[in-house]
Amino acid sequence: EAGVAQSPRYKIIEKRQSVAFWCNPISGHATLYWYQQILGQGPKLLIQFQNNGVVDDSQLPKDRFSAERLKGVDSTLKIQPAKLEDSAVYLCASSLSAGGANEQFFGPGTRLTVL
Amino acid sequence: QKEVEQNSGPLSVPEGAIASLNCTYSDRGSQSFFWYRQYSGKSPELIMSIYSNGDKEDGRFTAQLNKASQYVSLLIRDSQPSDSATYLCASRQGSQGNLIFGKGTKLSVKP
Repeated sequence: EAGVAQSPRYKIIEKRQSVAFWCNPISGHATLYWYQQILGQGPKLLIQFQNNGVVDDSQLPKDRFSAERLKGVDSTLKIQPAKLEDSAVYLCASSLSAGGANEQFFGPGTRLTVL
Repeated sequence: QKEVEQNSGPLSVPEGAIASLNCTYSDRGSQSFFWYRQYSGKSPELIMSIYSNGDKEDGRFTAQLNKASQYVSLLIRDSQPSDSATYLCASRQGSQGNLIFGKGTKLSVKP
């Protein structure tokens, strides 16, 4: 079974530029998560999708971050414009459904450096 | 503000010893708890989940939960150098809440 796929793996941009990340969850997983992990900290949830609907985006900085999962499968996360403090690893995870005993499987992440 | 607190370490133990990792949480509504292992430069992977007070054992790993004290721990018996990683504790509020992660404890197992 293929795992969660993410691309690109690394991205370096200058502040005020825009960037987009892509995630393809495990086949059949209805729930998709985007996390931000700053160096030395645990992952912080940015947004959760259930199929193509947003379940929780309370911690998403909506003035600069956006995400979509139009067909309920793959997803993109965009930052526009980027700030220095956005330098982090962006992790995508998926699970069969939300909550309960459903394990979240993480992708390899995209390491973003904002100069 | 719901928080999960962990000592960042590093925690250093000799090979073959028991490593004890601890975590406290602030939200009494949290019902389930998870331990993830994260190797340097890699993504987190789930190693244990626990929902009820007491101990849960899986191979060399034992998770312990004390809801009255709002305390979760992970014991790793017969520690191996391959166990060297950062261990993230996470809590979930209710059955559908999102995961809240601690900052992680870095474990180093010395041969």
